[in-house]
Amino acid sequence: GNSVTQMEGPVTLSEEAFLTINCTYTATGYPSLFWYVQYPGEGLQLLLKATKADDKGSNKGFEATYRKETTSFHLEKGSVQVSDSAVYFCALTHRDDKIIFGKGTRLHILP
Amino acid sequence: DVKVTQSSRYLVKRTGEKVFLECVQDMDHENMFWYRQDPGLGLRLIYFSYDVKMKEKGDIPEGYSVSREKKERFSLILESASTNQTSMYLCASRPQGQVLEKLFFGSGTQLSVL
Repeated sequence: GNSVTQMEGPVTLSEEAFLTINCTYTATGYPSLFWYVQYPGEGLQLLLKATKADDKGSNKGFEATYRKETTSFHLEKGSVQVSDSAVYFCALTHRDDKIIFGKGTRLHILP
Repeated sequence: DVKVTQSSRYLVKRTGEKVFLECVQDMDHENMFWYRQDPGLGLRLIYFSYDVKMKEKGDIPEGYSVSREKKERFSLILESASTNQTSMYLCASRPQGQVLEKLFFGSGTQLSVL
């Protein structure tokens, strides 16, 4: 069945460091891919998405490229801020209305 | 602004109690979802609903039931709460057929079963 695997956290970085959170998926055909973010005390909110191969989603300085050949959708940001501290979820949806989430990666940014 | 409201932020219940978690959305969305979130396990789908009075089991429905009597309200019911149901519960909604669009999430209900 469909699944999403993302790197385990927590990930701790200093402010202005480069961020990569890895995400790979298993799915038949061509799923749509998402990154959601959950700030402390809040529900999840969509960060970015990509709906076909080679699409790049971007928002708030974050980027992720849909790589069909490596079945990956890694999240990157060139210079993180303390306010980026949150839990990040990779997710996919395919053919039906269900969204499958990864286990989440907690990110801590130190000032 | 779009809103999904969960009635309680924190809830403490005793083993064996019947527990109701309420979720209301003001966006006229057909699809509504209940997830539970646990450390190291991420989000797991409990139940979802395509429309009023319709429901589908998710990946972990055991020990739960749901009710969707009105379009805006989707209730999660723990018939007899157990300690392994201590978790963060998240409700979400989305328009029908909008598979590529985002889910709108509530802020969550942290349930502790003692």
